[in-house]
Amino acid sequence: RKEVEQDPGPFNVPEGATVAFNCTYSNSASQSFFWYRQDCRKEPKLLMSVYSSGNEDGRFTAQLNRASQYISLLIRDSKLSDSATYLCVVNRGGYQKVTFGTGTKLQVIP
Amino acid sequence: DAGVIQSPRHEVTEMGQEVTLRCKPISGHDYLFWYRQTMMRGLELLIYFNNNVPIDDSGMPEDRFSAKMPNASFSTLKIQPSEPRDSAVYFCASSSQGTQYFGPGTRLLVL
Repeated sequence: RKEVEQDPGPFNVPEGATVAFNCTYSNSASQSFFWYRQDCRKEPKLLMSVYSSGNEDGRFTAQLNRASQYISLLIRDSKLSDSATYLCVVNRGGYQKVTFGTGTKLQVIP
Repeated sequence: DAGVIQSPRHEVTEMGQEVTLRCKPISGHDYLFWYRQTMMRGLELLIYFNNNVPIDDSGMPEDRFSAKMPNASFSTLKIQPSEPRDSAVYFCASSSQGTQYFGPGTRLLVL
């Protein structure tokens, strides 16, 4: 089993739609979780951290389910500019070493 | 403040040649990471440094790859000799409190 698994997609959704991505991780000791966004031919950039209680940043909501070992990202009112690959990232407590998922590709269509 | 700087941005070389990739981390960051990204394998951690000291190089594919960090503001990743399967995008990232900031990457093509 991979350390971090994501549905590669692509997810093709119309503008204004709500879309959700899940990511599962295998190490129950993992303590820090992030979502990164990567545009085509660009570097990954931090979208948001994922906190135990769940957190929201505008149209984006991240949640963590430790019991089932998955994190999720919800995007409401999708914009064309949200088209990108979304990478799930998991590290371990005091360690800086992280594992990236292979990413979920989102295409928002007019 | 400038972000992570990488050079060159593109590199085309022939099999067997030595390739050196360069990275300047964000000032004040004490961690530096080298990643490789391919379509097949995604983003893979090759090696990371803390305060210029290599901490984990378990991701370095083989002896042809080496990385150094002679000071807090500079690191290199060297491939010698290069092979076509080394073709990928190589990213450098730096961090200080967990969040990693990536450079624009070096696109390497080995013919």
